[in-house]
Amino acid sequence: DVKVTQSSRYLVKRTGEKVFLECVQDMDHENMFWYRQDPGLGLRLIYFSYDVKMKEKGDIPEGYSVSREKKERFSLILESASTNQTSMYLCASSSITGGGETQYFGPGTRLLVL
Amino acid sequence: GESVGLHLPTLSVQEGDNSIINCAYSNSASDYFIWYKQESGKGPQFIIDIRSNMDKRQGQRVTVLLNKTVKHLSLQIAATQPGDSAVYFCAETIAGGGGNKLTFGTGTQLKVEL
Repeated sequence: DVKVTQSSRYLVKRTGEKVFLECVQDMDHENMFWYRQDPGLGLRLIYFSYDVKMKEKGDIPEGYSVSREKKERFSLILESASTNQTSMYLCASSSITGGGETQYFGPGTRLLVL
Repeated sequence: GESVGLHLPTLSVQEGDNSIINCAYSNSASDYFIWYKQESGKGPQFIIDIRSNMDKRQGQRVTVLLNKTVKHLSLQIAATQPGDSAVYFCAETIAGGGGNKLTFGTGTQLKVEL
């Protein structure tokens, strides 16, 4: 089974703090994604990566950055957390083989910025 | 812009009945569709997928129907059980939209009444 893990289930941070959200997948997937999920807005893509050391902006990249130094790990960084970044953050991965469109998700990190 | 939407935000069904969750999409170039299930506090879980060269695909207790003429997708759950209570999302990929990027609907809450 595909396993995507996220470093924390719940985080509480203060405005202005630098926040790191870590995601690891164990299926040797090439593609990794970060989403945020808010009530009534569904899943919105923040950043994605097709390979190590590469990244692409999604639909709402402002206020975020990412890092992919290893194939299995994709980190989301909030340089200076703000209250409007309070949300559920979901990481996903997919393979480029066999169609490759299906994304597999981690359990999510619920972030509260005070 | 392109959109993937769900007709009903909440669907209540009796245990044992069949459930039908609907999804509309607007881009005729969409060629791959996925249904996800998200239980409270968890990440989305892949249920079933279908490609645009198919009209119907069946899984265990679930069936996805695709009507390309009216750009409509549905998820049918047979003999709905309490464990089926969750939010269900449809997602699509758009041909040439850039790798494996998916566009998600906002979700339908399925409530199973005993």
